[in-house]
Amino acid sequence: AQSVTQLGSHVSVSEGALVLLRCNYSSSVPPYLFWYVQYPNQGLQLLLKYTTGATLVKGINGFEAEFKKSETSFHLTKPSAHMSDAAEYFCAVSSSNTGNQFYFGTGTSLTVIP
Amino acid sequence: DTAVSQTPKYLVTQMGNDKSIKCEQNLGHDTMYWYKQDSKKFLKIMFSYNNKELIINETVPNRFSPKSPDKAHLNLHINSLELGDSAVYFCASSAWTSGEQYFGPGTRLTVT
Repeated sequence: AQSVTQLGSHVSVSEGALVLLRCNYSSSVPPYLFWYVQYPNQGLQLLLKYTTGATLVKGINGFEAEFKKSETSFHLTKPSAHMSDAAEYFCAVSSSNTGNQFYFGTGTSLTVIP
Repeated sequence: DTAVSQTPKYLVTQMGNDKSIKCEQNLGHDTMYWYKQDSKKFLKIMFSYNNKELIINETVPNRFSPKSPDKAHLNLHINSLELGDSAVYFCASSAWTSGEQYFGPGTRLTVT
């Protein structure tokens, strides 16, 4: 079975500060990991993904995430928050042998304070 | 060109009615999904189709019936709507082996 835990349902940062959104996963097989962003009244947009290879993954809008197998984590970071980063962020896990079924975390709402 | 589109974007209806939501993707993907997002933003997979075959059917009331006329379309029909069906419904698609899913803009269903 697979699952994702996102620590912190709400995170607030000041504009220009580091963004750190936490994601821990559980998977009995090598996982595929994803971060999605959802802006108000919109669908989910893929930020970045890890399947195999390099464990530090760079995505769109300056975000990156690092796959740490020993910690079963895939935390999302951005060095400097921008007002436009305010949104809901979802971590998801799947694997090659689950029919591409995604298991989403409960989401983290990011607020950026001017 | 919109990659994954859904119609309608908003749907307001009364309890007991039957309604459908349509989804189309022009990405050439062979797998499509329906998700339900509740008021707390929790995303739950409902159905998944691969090459028009049902492969994921989570615990969803029988009132919900997906139909895939071809690989590019996956529609969702809901019978006898209930208040608890109010949510945002997202369609998504992917290539079977690629991993990432692409989401539509969502359909906000309100049952009164």
